[in-house]
Amino acid sequence: DTEVTQTPKHLVMGMTNKKSLKCEQHMGHRAMYWYKQKAKKPPELMFVYSYEKLSINESVPSRFSPECPNSSLLNLHLHALQPEDSALYLCASSRTDTDTQYFGPGTRLTVL
Amino acid sequence: SQQGEEDPQALSIQEGENATMNCSYKTSINNLQWYRQNSGRGLVHLILIRSNEREKHSGRLRVTLDTSKKSSSLLITASRAADTASYFCALYNTNAGKSTFGDGTTLTVKP
Repeated sequence: DTEVTQTPKHLVMGMTNKKSLKCEQHMGHRAMYWYKQKAKKPPELMFVYSYEKLSINESVPSRFSPECPNSSLLNLHLHALQPEDSALYLCASSRTDTDTQYFGPGTRLTVL
Repeated sequence: SQQGEEDPQALSIQEGENATMNCSYKTSINNLQWYRQNSGRGLVHLILIRSNEREKHSGRLRVTLDTSKKSSSLLITASRAADTASYFCALYNTNAGKSTFGDGTTLTVKP
């Protein structure tokens, strides 16, 4: 299995909702990432987990809460988001944090 | 900033022509990677080149790295309409412990 899967593909939520994005990989990778990408812009790093521990938080607002339950799973919990948080959220994994990153297809999030 | 600057921002060519895009950066790097992204989709890894390497090939792709000039180029030969996508360089720096993406080049290959 050489892919990163993300669910859901699309998500529409109100500003008072609580939702979660899910990412899964079965390549034995020990680093996992969340990126946010706005239209016509490069991906922006949000969080990095290395060996299931949060190693990088790029000063992301607390309304985004990452979780790494095990080495294969990465979640992003969303609460009280703003319309400007609407974007494509990409998950990636790599063997270690210095290696090639493999990306999932992304979750297209719309906040109303 | 470690972020790569890519040029051109947009490139339009005919099928069969070669496409070259460049990535320049300011700080030292450990490796540089090129990715392709089709509209609204995830990124696909193309090539990783390490700081001690000067050139790598993969099929129709050729990547060069000049650490003295702090620049890299991606050459796509004999382009196809299916190569139409955005191309990003990503710079990895051990001190920062992360990769940072350049602004990207949007390539359009006309059939």
